[in-house]
Amino acid sequence: AQSVTQLGSHVSVSEGALVLLRCNYSSSVPPYLFWYVQYPNQGLQLLLKYTSAATLVKGINGFEAEFKKSETSFHLTKPSAHMSDAAEYFCAVSGGSNYKLTFGKGTLLTVNP
Amino acid sequence: GAGVSQSPSNKVTEKGKDVELRCDPISGHTALYWYRQSLGQGLEFLIYFQGNSAPDKSGLPSDRFSAERTGGSVSTLTIQRTQQEDSAVYLCASSLGGDPSSGELFFGEGSRLTVL
Repeated sequence: AQSVTQLGSHVSVSEGALVLLRCNYSSSVPPYLFWYVQYPNQGLQLLLKYTSAATLVKGINGFEAEFKKSETSFHLTKPSAHMSDAAEYFCAVSGGSNYKLTFGKGTLLTVNP
Repeated sequence: GAGVSQSPSNKVTEKGKDVELRCDPISGHTALYWYRQSLGQGLEFLIYFQGNSAPDKSGLPSDRFSAERTGGSVSTLTIQRTQQEDSAVYLCASSLGGDPSSGELFFGEGSRLTVL
């Protein structure tokens, strides 16, 4: 079984500041890990994914995430926040032959001018 | 179409009525998923289709919920005798295959269901 915990249901940053969204996972098999973003009134869009290649994964819009097995973490970062980054972000896990993505509860990112 | 299409985008119904939600996946995508998004609860897996068959229905919350897929394409999620706790956004996603590690899920914009 897999599960995901996203620490902080709401994160607020100033424009230009570092964005850090936290995700911890639990998996009985080597995990595949994903970050999705949901803009208001839109469907989810894949930001980036980890599938056992490089542990530092770069995604769209300047986001990146690092897989740390020892910490069972997959935190999402961006060096400098833009107003357009305001959205809800979801971390998800799957593993082995498990086709299902198990999602966290999401983190709403607010960017202040 | 270019993306996953869901209809209706909004549905308001009275408690006890039946509703049907439709998903038209990206052409050629063999895998189709239904998720439910409730406020503060994240995304809850409901059902997975590979072609027309549903190898995993374990997420359907009760026997009031059912889904089918025809022609390896369009899927319909049916909720019978709706209850207020069914109010949520129902999201459909499709992918080329059934292994999320090999490709991404493409989501529709969802059907927002409100049960009065």
